[in-house]
Amino acid sequence: AQSVAQPEDQVNVAEGNPLTVKCTYSVSGNPYLFWYVQYPNRGLQFLLKYITGDNLVKGSYGFEAEFNKSQTSFHLKKPSALVSDSALYFCAVRDPHSNYQLIWGAGTKLIIKP
Amino acid sequence: TAGITQAPTSQILAAGRSMTLRCTQDMRHNAMYWYRQDLGLGLRLIHYSNTAGTTGKGEVPDGYSVSRANTDDFPLTLASAVPSQTSVYFCASSERLAGNEQFFGPGTRLTVL
Repeated sequence: AQSVAQPEDQVNVAEGNPLTVKCTYSVSGNPYLFWYVQYPNRGLQFLLKYITGDNLVKGSYGFEAEFNKSQTSFHLKKPSALVSDSALYFCAVRDPHSNYQLIWGAGTKLIIKP
Repeated sequence: TAGITQAPTSQILAAGRSMTLRCTQDMRHNAMYWYRQDLGLGLRLIHYSNTAGTTGKGEVPDGYSVSRANTDDFPLTLASAVPSQTSVYFCASSERLAGNEQFFGPGTRLTVL
């Protein structure tokens, strides 16, 4: 079955340190992968996506993600965390059996401490 | 540009009552979606529409209906609300395929008592 896993419910990072939010997937064929961020009481905002090409994808707010086909992972990273990065982060992959649907991870709460 | 608007922002509804959640986008996107977000479960797709005049069922369609009379509007109706439909509902849109990013509205917080 197609699935996306975010193994950490919460990640705590000190401000200025690098951060990683993990995502692994299981889909048939070539994956279309996405990261979204949700700030409190707001809708989700698109951060970045991988469809093809360079395995390192750069997105909004200084975030980047690395596609690793052998490990079926798409971890979100940022070299230096800001307190304002504290939010809920969702990984998603396109359902290969549908052109319109995404399979979503359960989300990871990122807390950046001053 | 407003993007996607949803109304109401929040609502308390008695069980058994009906309600329509409104969603309007001004980006001329072909595809639109309704999700519910529940703690620990992430986002679950309720219904979607890939173009005006067509709709499809998502992961959790029971108890909900949608229509897509035009490109801009995608209302979600609960015919007879039940407490398990208490959730935050998000409307989203994308240009065409799921290879395109989805744009989300601010959400409607619904409580069914």
